[in-house]
Amino acid sequence: DTGVSQDPRHKITKRGQNVTFRCDPISEHNRLYWYRQTLGQGPEFLTYFQNEAQLEKSRLLSDRFSAERPKGSFSTLEIQRTEQGDSAMYLCASSPQGQGGSYGYTFGSGTRLTVV
Amino acid sequence: GDSVTQMEGPVTLSEEAFLTINCTYTATGYPSLFWYVQYPGEGLQLLLKATKADDKGSNKGFEATYRKETTSFHLEKGSVQVSDSAVYFCALSDRAAGNKLTFGGGTRVLVKP
Repeated sequence: DTGVSQDPRHKITKRGQNVTFRCDPISEHNRLYWYRQTLGQGPEFLTYFQNEAQLEKSRLLSDRFSAERPKGSFSTLEIQRTEQGDSAMYLCASSPQGQGGSYGYTFGSGTRLTVV
Repeated sequence: GDSVTQMEGPVTLSEEAFLTINCTYTATGYPSLFWYVQYPGEGLQLLLKATKADDKGSNKGFEATYRKETTSFHLEKGSVQVSDSAVYFCALSDRAAGNKLTFGGGTRVLVKP
């Protein structure tokens, strides 16, 4: 068990460019969550998957954001036409199916995005 | 919808002082409650949790009790160390909301020697 891995750790991009982040959850975890954390704030829910199915998307996830988990293993989060307001830490977490409430969640170290 | 409110920081303490961070919540269902800690430059780590009323979560000298009557989950530690300097987040997980986590805004704690 190597924990939840996120790549890259840091990304600096110019406004208007597209970026893609990757998350590798703990292998036996069915559920995968994406959160966004801005400076001085708590993480905010973006979306989550159960296996390959995307079950919920937050209203925070505009049309420029898309997430996939094609084989129920790793997931990608893509932001198109980035804006300065997208600058944040993007966190991924995983948990066993239906057990997040009692198990807790394992978080990755996050990808820090800076849009210049 | 679900929400978590925790006291604002920063909280500045001397080593060996008593720490309390207040946390209250609102939820439509019967949530599980968590405290996460974020050390400088690191990701979120689960500190402790409680899944039902009157449960006490504990870890590394920290404790929190699930109080359904007051919808609270206050974090306490009897004697803090410099290494406890971090940001602490209270959170809930509601099965009625897909078990996703809802976080409070975080409380920064600074312990001085």
